[in-house]
Amino acid sequence: SQQGEEDPQALSIQEGENATMNCSYKTSINNLQWYRQNSGRGLVHLILIRSNEREKHSGRLRVTLDTSKKSSSLLITASRAADTASYFCATAGGSNYKLTFGKGTLLTVNP
Amino acid sequence: NAGVTQTPKFQVLKTGQSMTLQCAQDMNHNSMYWYRQDPGMGLRLIYYSASEGTTDKGEVPNGYNVSRLNKREFSLRLESAAPSQTSVYFCASSEPGGRAYEQYFGPGTRLTVT
Repeated sequence: SQQGEEDPQALSIQEGENATMNCSYKTSINNLQWYRQNSGRGLVHLILIRSNEREKHSGRLRVTLDTSKKSSSLLITASRAADTASYFCATAGGSNYKLTFGKGTLLTVNP
Repeated sequence: NAGVTQTPKFQVLKTGQSMTLQCAQDMNHNSMYWYRQDPGMGLRLIYYSASEGTTDKGEVPNGYNVSRLNKREFSLRLESAAPSQTSVYFCASSEPGGRAYEQYFGPGTRLTVT
């Protein structure tokens, strides 16, 4: 069964706007990762946040983690049409080399 | 570096046929994984290999077998394909074994079982 659940399932915004996606999980984690998947392609790693971290930035990406609420959010600022993709959160628990993926958020950025 | 490569890219099988999906990575990673992705679903782990010489079941292993041929190659075999195995299959690798570093994914194999 999936560990992470993304919300919303689909998000449509205009170019230049910010996009926020949320991920909730059920059990304790060692780290949480976000991946992007362009249509018909493999997943690409975006960012990893460890359980002892609260916020992390990478370019236009900002990830937060609240372990007390078992939730994470991914913010993409100043979105571009090229950001159109599905975004997945993945959690790493006790067996560190295994990831459990959520069902993803489909982001559409309209030019 | 090619990263993670998968062959074939597309395959159509009849029910009951067998086939092997090939995966290779050139990043000297210890850990390799096989996932399947169905419409509207995230990725589900079929099998993984934490290091050369070891394999373990994931979430959905029934109907599949794997072989970690060497450090570079990890194959997935369907012995008797069923329509329920119609899916997109992704191979991934990560480094080093025992730590959940980022995973690198191949382009996928689109399998249809009729």
